[in-house]
Amino acid sequence: EPEVTQTPSHQVTQMGQEVILRCVPISNHLYFYWYRQILGQKVEFLVSFYNNEISEKSEIFDDQFSVERPDGSNFTLKIRSTKLEDSAMYFCASTGGPSDRHGYTFGSGTRLTVV
Amino acid sequence: GEDVEQSLFLSVREGDSSVINCTYTDSSSTYLYWYKQEPGAGLQLLTYIFSNMDMKQDQRLTVLLNKKDKHLSLRIADTQTGDSAIYFCAESIRANTPLVFGKGTRLSVIA
Repeated sequence: EPEVTQTPSHQVTQMGQEVILRCVPISNHLYFYWYRQILGQKVEFLVSFYNNEISEKSEIFDDQFSVERPDGSNFTLKIRSTKLEDSAMYFCASTGGPSDRHGYTFGSGTRLTVV
Repeated sequence: GEDVEQSLFLSVREGDSSVINCTYTDSSSTYLYWYKQEPGAGLQLLTYIFSNMDMKQDQRLTVLLNKKDKHLSLRIADTQTGDSAIYFCAESIRANTPLVFGKGTRLSVIA
């Protein structure tokens, strides 16, 4: 079964450093997303991406965050200057489009720890 | 804004049925999902239901939707220890709009 792949599975970074989280969505999917889950809290939407541009973003997704699809397969989330409160599990997801009613396919997540 | 609420914990004995409940606030929610998260793992889609349906059954899983009360439930028949996980209810207005998640219900299955 097709999978969404995320790397790394766990990243530890110092406060103020830049991090890039990587995702490979399912190859024929068109919509890509990042969500995050702070420990013990809800899974929260960050950003959606379609047709090489951001289609929607939440208020969490401020200027410190950016997304990119640098080639035909990768989808990245960059945090420019990490803060302690960015520590969370970050999930990438993709869907096939309006006719894809089977919901999102999520990756296994990247656990980001900012120290 | 949109909100999804779930009870946080549920404990059942192996072989019993589990019922996990969820309420949502957005009456325009069209797609309602149940996701399972095992420890250290990602979010696995278990099942989904459209707002024009009342019930959906998929093997041991039964989803009931009461649209009037904005209440969704997931019943797991013959619960097994492998069903121990966190179960998230989520909703969206359209197929590709952002999901709004509940906090998740931690299901513990006692052997």
